[in-house]
Amino acid sequence: KNEVEQSPQNLTAQEGEFITINCSYSVGISALHWLQQHPGGGIVSLFMLSSGKKKHGRLIATINIQEKHSSLHITASHPRDSAVYICAVPPGGSNYKLTFGKGTLLTVNP
Amino acid sequence: EAGVAQSPRYKIIEKRQSVAFWCNPISGHATLYWYQQILGQGPKLLIQFQNNGVVDDSQLPKDRFSAERLKGVDSTLKIQPAKLEDSAVYLCASSLNPGYEQYFGPGTRLTVT
Repeated sequence: KNEVEQSPQNLTAQEGEFITINCSYSVGISALHWLQQHPGGGIVSLFMLSSGKKKHGRLIATINIQEKHSSLHITASHPRDSAVYICAVPPGGSNYKLTFGKGTLLTVNP
Repeated sequence: EAGVAQSPRYKIIEKRQSVAFWCNPISGHATLYWYQQILGQGPKLLIQFQNNGVVDDSQLPKDRFSAERLKGVDSTLKIQPAKLEDSAVYLCASSLNPGYEQYFGPGTRLTVT
C-alpha cells in the first residue's frame, strides 16, 4: 500500500503570497494527482503528472520520481484559492486504485 | 465537454431509511468510481466499474450498500438501510480507462439523522 503524507495540514496566507504544498509517497508510481476540493464537496482534478513540471494558470505542479515527492505551488494567491488540496497516488504496479492524502486546508485572506 | 453529473446534491434521511444516488459519467469513459468521503478524511473508494462490470468492491459494505451500472454508462449507488455513520459526501468519478485522469462529479452530501 502506498503511504501518502501531505504537509502542511493547514495553511493560512495573505492574498498575493506564494504558496507551496508538499506531498510525499512511499512506493514508486506511474503518475500523481493533485485535486482541489471546495467546501461544497465537489472535487476538481488539477493535475495528473508523471514527471517534471506542469503549469496551468497560477498553479504549478512538480514531481521528483526518484525522491518520491511532489509539490503544488500557487503564485499570487487569491481568496478564491481557499480550498482543500489533495494529493493522490496509485499503489504501484498495475493497480490504479488511488490512495488519497489527508489534504491541506488552504485559507487565503484578503 | 460535459462533466460528471450527480444527483441529488443533498439528501437528509432518517436512519434505517433507504437512499439512492445517481451518476452520469463523461461520455466515452469506461471506468466509473464511487467514493465515500467522511468529513475531515480523504475519499475512500467504495466500488470501481469497468464498463458494466465490477473491478473492485472490496471496501463496499455489501450488507447495506449496492451499486450497479447496467448499460455501462449511468450508475446508481444505494444504501439500505442507512446508518448514522453513513453521513458523508458520496463522490462519483470517471476516467477513460483505469490509470487515466479521474474527473469528479460535484458529490452528494448525505446526512443521516
